[in-house]
Amino acid sequence: AQSVTQLGSHVSVSEGALVLLRCNYSSSVPPYLFWYVQYPNQGLQLLLKYTSAATLVKGINGFEAEFKKSETSFHLTKPSAHMSDAAEYFCAVIKAAGNKLTFGGGTRVLVKP
Amino acid sequence: NAGVMQNPRHLVRRRGQEARLRCSPMKGHSHVYWYRQLPEEGLKFMVYLQKENIIDESGMPKERFSAEFPKEGPSILRIQQVVRGDSAAYFCASSPPSAGDNEQFFGPGTRLTVL
Repeated sequence: AQSVTQLGSHVSVSEGALVLLRCNYSSSVPPYLFWYVQYPNQGLQLLLKYTSAATLVKGINGFEAEFKKSETSFHLTKPSAHMSDAAEYFCAVIKAAGNKLTFGGGTRVLVKP
Repeated sequence: NAGVMQNPRHLVRRRGQEARLRCSPMKGHSHVYWYRQLPEEGLKFMVYLQKENIIDESGMPKERFSAEFPKEGPSILRIQQVVRGDSAAYFCASSPPSAGDNEQFFGPGTRLTVL
């Protein structure tokens, strides 16, 4: 069975500061990993995905994530937070050739001016 | 290419009524997934359908919930005799037949409120 753990349900950062959102997964087979962002009252938008190519993945809006198999982690970072980054972020995993995403509990990001 | 469409965006029902949620996948996509987001919780998988077939319904509640994806028309998630605990955001996602990386594209969701 797969599971995804996001450490910290709420993160507060200052504008211009580093954003670091943690995600650890457990999977019995090499997974595909995703980060999605959800703005208030909207659907999910894909930020980036890991599909067994490069371990450092660059996404939209300046976000990137690094897949570390030894740590079973896929943490999301952005060097400099912007007010528009305030949203909820979900890490998700799907096993290769699988069909359902398993989501972490989400991390709500607050950006302070 | 229009994205995944869901309607209605907001739905209010009284306890005991039926709720029908519709999802039109992206053009060319034949796989549809439904997820539920309960208040203050993450998203949970409900069901995976292909045209005229339910492939995986392991996340569906055993009673009152059903889903279909007919040959023609949108996918429908149906909730009979709704209860307050059904209040949630329901998201539909779709993917093409040969999505090698299994990326799913999400709709804007239907927010169901049960009074």
